[in-house]
Amino acid sequence: SQQGEEDPQALSIQEGENATMNCSYKTSINNLQWYRQNSGRGLVHLILIRSNEREKHSGRLRVTLDTSKKSSSLLITASRAADTASYFCATDARTGANNLFFGTGTRLTVIP
Amino acid sequence: DAGITQSPRHKVTETGTPVTLRCHQTENHRYMYWYRQDPGHGLRLIHYSYGVKDTDKGEVSDGYSVSRSKTEDFLLTLESATSSQTSVYFCAISESMGSEKLFFGSGTQLSVL
Repeated sequence: SQQGEEDPQALSIQEGENATMNCSYKTSINNLQWYRQNSGRGLVHLILIRSNEREKHSGRLRVTLDTSKKSSSLLITASRAADTASYFCATDARTGANNLFFGTGTRLTVIP
Repeated sequence: DAGITQSPRHKVTETGTPVTLRCHQTENHRYMYWYRQDPGHGLRLIHYSYGVKDTDKGEVSDGYSVSRSKTEDFLLTLESATSSQTSVYFCAISESMGSEKLFFGSGTQLSVL
C-alpha cells in the first residue's frame, strides 16, 4: 500500500512549544500534502510540497521532504491551543493512481 | 467548508437497507470524491468522479455505487448496508486530478445497526 504512516500517533505539548510530526511512505511520489482535521470536521489542506522541493514554509508551518528516505516532517512553531487537531499526510502515487493516499494521522494536543 | 454540503450529517440505519448520501458543491470543480474514515485506516477512497456521468472506483469500492448527473451533485449509495460500512464519510472536491489540493465537506456519520 502507498499509505503514509505518521509518527507519533499522539503528541501532547505546552502552548508555545514546537510540534514535529513525521510521515513515511512507500513508493515514489509527485507531491506530498499535509492536512489538519479538527474534531467532527472535514480535513483542511495546509501545505503541498513537490518531489523536487526539500523544504517549504507557510506561516508557522515548516515542511521538509526527503525523497531518498521517503519521509516528510511537519513542524508547527510556537504552538497555540487552536492548533489542537489531527494532522494527516497524503501522498499521490507516481504510477497511475488517481487519488491521494492518507496516513492514519497524528493527534496533537496543545495545552494552554 | 469550501462550498461543500453533505447530507445528512448523521444517519442510523439497519443492516440490509439502502442508503444514499449526498454531496453538493457550489465551487464548480470538476473532480469529486467519496472517502471513508475509520480508526486505524486513515481516509480511504471509495469512488471518484472526473465529470458528469464519469466515475471510477477507488480503493474500497465494494458495496458502494455512485452517480453524478450534475456538476454540483455526487451521490454515494450503499445498496444494502452492512455493519462494516459504519463509518464517517467525507466528500471532497478538486479543480484538477486527485494528486492536487482537496477541499473536504464536514462529513456524514453513518451507523449501520
